[in-house]
Amino acid sequence: SAVISQKPSRDICQRGTSLTIQCQVDSQVTMMFWYRQQPGQSLTLIATANQGSEATYESGFVIDKFPISRPNLTFSTLTVSNMSPEDSSIYLCSVEVGGVTDTQYFGPGTRLTVL
Amino acid sequence: GQQLNQSPQSMFIQEGEDVSMNCTSSSIFNTWLWYKQDPGEGPVLLIALYKAGELTSNGRLTAQFGITRKDSFLNISASIPSDVGIYFCAAHFGNEKLTFGTGTRLTIIP
Repeated sequence: SAVISQKPSRDICQRGTSLTIQCQVDSQVTMMFWYRQQPGQSLTLIATANQGSEATYESGFVIDKFPISRPNLTFSTLTVSNMSPEDSSIYLCSVEVGGVTDTQYFGPGTRLTVL
Repeated sequence: GQQLNQSPQSMFIQEGEDVSMNCTSSSIFNTWLWYKQDPGEGPVLLIALYKAGELTSNGRLTAQFGITRKDSFLNISASIPSDVGIYFCAAHFGNEKLTFGTGTRLTIIP
């Protein structure tokens, strides 16, 4: 398994500003993921962050809006840029652990409210 | 894209009752995962299934990987108040991304 921490746990931000969310894992992992969960909804994958390469974004998500860093095998950041109220969501970091029997574990999430 | 149809969407049960929920898809998967999410928290992995037909237990929880590889169910026996939350199924095939179900919200009536 993996123990994942996220900072901040929650924030209230003004429209037009940016917020950077940090994700720290207690072990080295190859695959890290960032998800968004809008109120009352399931999880939607934003991007996959691999160390040493650019993040791979899912349809509907772009690097200018959600820049991601992955400087090493235990850490990643997601920035939500030029925020609007529609960006109010829970943002979740996730890691894949294993090889043949790969499994994903999630961090506690960052609850973002944009006014 | 791939979709997981999770049912029921919500359940209202009395403490002590058994719970059953399932996920179905038109696509084949080779890993099924079941998560529970409490309010304000991230999803916590409950059970992972890697083989068609596999039946795995974790305390009062039991999950099965359907023999067709297109479905999975989760049972909770003798529910207790801390079972309240949202349960998500998730599945993937090979190196493809994880696909999530829509969730089952479990409420326990006092």
